[in-house]
Amino acid sequence: AQRVTQPEKLLSVFKGAPVELKCNYSYSGSPELFWYVQYSRQRLQLLLRHISRESIKGFTADLNKGETSFHLKKPFAQEEDSAMYYCALVSGSSNTGKLIFGQGTTLQVKP
Amino acid sequence: NAGVTQTPKFRVLKTGQSMTLLCAQDMNHEYMYWYRQDPGMGLRLIHYSVGEGTTAKGEVPDGYNVSRLKKQNFLLGLESAAPSQTSVYFCASKNSDSYEQYFGPGTRLTVT
Repeated sequence: AQRVTQPEKLLSVFKGAPVELKCNYSYSGSPELFWYVQYSRQRLQLLLRHISRESIKGFTADLNKGETSFHLKKPFAQEEDSAMYYCALVSGSSNTGKLIFGQGTTLQVKP
Repeated sequence: NAGVTQTPKFRVLKTGQSMTLLCAQDMNHEYMYWYRQDPGMGLRLIHYSVGEGTTAKGEVPDGYNVSRLKKQNFLLGLESAAPSQTSVYFCASKNSDSYEQYFGPGTRLTVT
């Protein structure tokens, strides 16, 4: 079964501390994975796509097929990073673009 | 360019009542999606459409119907609302040759 698991409901860190939001997936084949973010009073928006391998707002995420993980990392958290983060997996045929989302992790960055 | 809009923003229904949620996008996107967001469960796909006149079931379609009569609009209907349908509903759209989904602001629905 295709599944995305985000084990932490809430992650609370101090400003300047490193951040790692965990994401594990279950998928047979080559997965296509994303991180979406929802800031307070804003829409859900794409943060990262694993294929692009780029850094957005200081965040990076590496696909580890051996561990079936796609953890989101940032070396130094900022208060403006506080948001809800969702890991998402393209489901089945990529032609439909259907996404399976994880449960979401709220990141709280304290001053 | 408004992107993806949703109507209404909030609604309270009594059990058994019906209503329609409207999603509109002005980006000429082929694909459109309806999700529900519940605490601890993330977003779950209700129904989706890959083009005008086509719809398909997602992960949690029971109790909902959809229609895509025009390319820019995707309607989600609740024929007989139940308390279990209390949720925040998000609409999204994307181009057929792109990977990014664009989300609407959400509709908060409470069924009493």
